[in-house]
Amino acid sequence: EDQVTQSPEALRLQEGESSSLNCSYTVSGLRGLFWYRQDPGKGPEFLFTLYSAGEEKEKERLKATLTKKESFLHITAPKPEDSATYLCAVEGDSNYQLIWGAGTKLIIKP
Amino acid sequence: ETGVTQTPRHLVMGMTNKKSLKCEQHLGHNAMYWYKQSAKKPLELMFVYNFKEQTENNSVPSRFSPECPNSSHLFLHLHTLQPEDSALYLCASSQVSLNTGELFFGEGSRLTVL
Repeated sequence: EDQVTQSPEALRLQEGESSSLNCSYTVSGLRGLFWYRQDPGKGPEFLFTLYSAGEEKEKERLKATLTKKESFLHITAPKPEDSATYLCAVEGDSNYQLIWGAGTKLIIKP
Repeated sequence: ETGVTQTPRHLVMGMTNKKSLKCEQHLGHNAMYWYKQSAKKPLELMFVYNFKEQTENNSVPSRFSPECPNSSHLFLHLHTLQPEDSALYLCASSQVSLNTGELFFGEGSRLTVL
């Protein structure tokens, strides 16, 4: 069964303290792994798509990486405006629907 | 207006009421989606419309009834809901011919069922 698990559930960091969020997945034939950001009271906003192991994508202080079992969202020297819930989703060959994780709530304290 | 617009943003209804959620996308996309988001749970896909035709119905109770009159508008009709239906309902759109994982979401309709 296709499944996505995100950890930790919540992460509190000081401004400037780098860390990583994890997205572990099991899927039959990965077609793509997707990262979204969701601010309180808003809908998710697309960040990255990763297609194959070894691929990396960067945007400002965020870098997403992918292996055959998991993806990491690395955040370097975060700022309070990076506070949000980060969602991960995968699409596999057996089901073209996105399978979502429950998200990691990131809080950056000034 | 740009992007995906959802109305109302907040809705409180009794279990015997009938109400509708509305979604409009201004992106020229050909697929639209309804998702349910509950606290600390993954997004749940409810319905998918491709080119106005419903292609997915993920075992959603019949008290939720979708309607897609054209590729820009999507409705979710609600009747005789249960308290456990209280959640954030998100509409999204995408371009089917492109990356299917890149969805554009509205800000959601926060539903409370009393």
